[in-house]
Amino acid sequence: SQTIHQWPATLVQPVGSPLSLECTVEGTSNPNLYWYRQAAGRGLQLLFYSVGIGQISSEVPQNLSASRPQDRQFILSSKKLLLSDSGFYLCAWRDRANTEAFFGQGTRLTVV
Amino acid sequence: QQQVKQSPQSLIVQKGGISIINCAYENTAFDYFPWYQQFPGKGPALLIAIRPDVSEKKEGRFTISFNKSAKQFSLHIMDSQPGDSATYFCAASSQTGANNLFFGTGTRLTVIP
Repeated sequence: SQTIHQWPATLVQPVGSPLSLECTVEGTSNPNLYWYRQAAGRGLQLLFYSVGIGQISSEVPQNLSASRPQDRQFILSSKKLLLSDSGFYLCAWRDRANTEAFFGQGTRLTVV
Repeated sequence: QQQVKQSPQSLIVQKGGISIINCAYENTAFDYFPWYQQFPGKGPALLIAIRPDVSEKKEGRFTISFNKSAKQFSLHIMDSQPGDSATYFCAASSQTGANNLFFGTGTRLTVIP
C-alpha cells in the first residue's frame, strides 16, 4: 500500500534561519508531488508541484523553494525564513492513474 | 485568485440535522470535484468525489449535488453527528495540464450534541 511520510510534525524557527521540510512517498512510482500551505481562512494554497525528478513548478512567488532529488522525495526549503512563512505545510501526492490526492500529516511551522 | 469559492466559512448544526456546504468554480475544464475532511492537526483525507457526468453521488450519509450549468456543487451531510465536526474542503481539478487540485477556503463544521 502507498504511504506518505512528512517531517517534522512541528518546528519553531527564528526569523532569518534556513528551512528544510522533507516528504517521502512509498508504494508508488513517478507520482505527482505537491506542497500546500494552509492558513486560517485561506484554505489550502498550492505552493509547488512536481511531475518528475528535477521538475518543479511554482504557483505563487514567495520566499520558499522546492526540490525533487529522487522520484519519491520532495523537499521544501528556504534560505531565510520570514514571519509570514508561519503556517501548516502539507505534502501530497497523486498517482497519474488515480485522481485522489493523499496528504501527509503536515508540519506546523512557527517563525519567531 | 481563488479557483474554487466555498461557503460558509463556519457552520454549526444540531446533532441529527443536515449540514450543507456550497462551492462554485469558473474553469469549465475542471472535471473532477472531490470533498476532503480534515481533523485538527491532521492532513485532509478524501471523503467523496464526483465527476460532471452525474448530478448526484451518495455514500452513506454524505451526498454531493452537482450543477454543471451553474458551475456549483455542494456537500450534504445527513443526520450530522458530533464525530463529523471537522473542516471540510471542496476542490476541483482538470485532467489536462498539470492535473493540480485547487481547494476552496474550507468550512469548519461543528455538530452540537
